Amino acid sequence: EAGVTQSPTHLIKTRGQQATLRCSPISGHTSVYWYQQALGLGLQFLLWYDEGEERNRGNFPPRFSGRQFPNYSSELNVNALELEDSALYLCASRRMTGNYGYTFGSGTRLTVV
Amino acid sequence: RKEVEQDPGPFNVPEGATVAFNCTYSNSASQSFFWYRQDCRKEPKLLMSVYSSGNEDGRFTAQLNRASQYISLLIRDSKLSDSATYLCVVNIGTGGFKTIFGAGTRLFVKA
Repeated sequence: EAGVTQSPTHLIKTRGQQATLRCSPISGHTSVYWYQQALGLGLQFLLWYDEGEERNRGNFPPRFSGRQFPNYSSELNVNALELEDSALYLCASRRMTGNYGYTFGSGTRLTVV
Repeated sequence: RKEVEQDPGPFNVPEGATVAFNCTYSNSASQSFFWYRQDCRKEPKLLMSVYSSGNEDGRFTAQLNRASQYISLLIRDSKLSDSATYLCVVNIGTGGFKTIFGAGTRLFVKA
């Protein structure tokens, strides 16, 4: 079974630009979660998508947005990049039934210069 | 008060030691519980789920105390490769509505 895949692995952008990060969940998982982890800090919840709809979002400004496609893959868009957006962005998926934890992708390391 | 609290550590232990991590949660609607392991600059990986009856996986034992709202992880016979950050994770409600990650406890196992 293929795991959660994220692309790109690394991304370098200039302040003010836009970044697009991609995620494909494990086959059969309909929910995708996005987290931000700044260096040395804990995971901060960004967004949750399920069945193509945004179900919940964390305490982030509207320039963080995303979507989920019919095949359950997802995109995270960050507009008007700021230096403090530099972080590891993690995508996770899970089964929605039963007591299962998340499976994370290996992340996209975004650097804003 | 944070919804999930862990001792940040770091815990520095010699190889072969037994080490215990505790985690407390504040929301009584918490339904499911997990321990994750995160290596430096890597993604978190599920270590084990935590069940009310307690559960063991090799050198790792997880316990849940719903009355006191805490979860523990015991690592016996520590190995160098156990060095990592251990995250306590709590699902509140059902259907994945809200998942809270603890800030993590850093463990260093030394030879």
